[in-house]
Amino acid sequence: EVQLLESGGGLVQPGGSLRLSCVASGFTFSNYVMSWIRQAPGKGLEWVSAVSGSGVGTFYADSVKGRFTISRDNSKNTLYLQMHSLRAEDTALYYCAKDRGTILPADCDFWGRGTLVTVSS
Amino acid sequence: QSALTQPASVSGSPGQSITISCTGTSSDVGGYNYVSWYQQHPGKAPKLMIYDVTNRPSGVSNRFSGSKSGNTATLTISGLQAEDEADYYCSSYTSTSTPVVFGGGTKLTVL
Repeated sequence: EVQLLESGGGLVQPGGSLRLSCVASGFTFSNYVMSWIRQAPGKGLEWVSAVSGSGVGTFYADSVKGRFTISRDNSKNTLYLQMHSLRAEDTALYYCAKDRGTILPADCDFWGRGTLVTVSS
Repeated sequence: QSALTQPASVSGSPGQSITISCTGTSSDVGGYNYVSWYQQHPGKAPKLMIYDVTNRPSGVSNRFSGSKSGNTATLTISGLQAEDEADYYCSSYTSTSTPVVFGGGTKLTVL
């Protein structure tokens, strides 16, 4: 059974930093693209970032480019999202998701329950 | 403003069929067969319902189907059931600087 467990969310001041983690199980982690997708309270889904199975290819939404860094440790089956220069508009539930492919992000067939990030003073 | 345009809401009675449209451009929906549809119930994580325009993941009811014409993709739900009431989102791979975009979401109400 595929399981994705996110952690690391919390309350942070504007301009602050936070690192999210997602531990995966139930599939061969290194074979798949992994993504972060967020949802602001009461709003729709917003794709944030993805990393290829090998970790070499990284992809970002324009809204987070230069502030967020995605990475993965295939030896620990763990996905990360390092977030810097956080803004109020980054407040959202951040989902970790497994893509169906290996190299390019396209669609996510399994999702975690999410971790809440709140940016506020 | 979302990159892909969906109607804010649709409704239908049990047993009926409904469609949800997802309009993009030649840089996303029209240019690639990488359109997906997700179902999200309140307080739950999204669930993949359709991938690559027309394909259903294992376990998804065959009442759900997808299609595409030009820059518009469509999700059709036939034999509407109360449990289908949820938010639905489309997404597409894009050739722009943000490789994946979502629609704004459509709230389906089963009357």
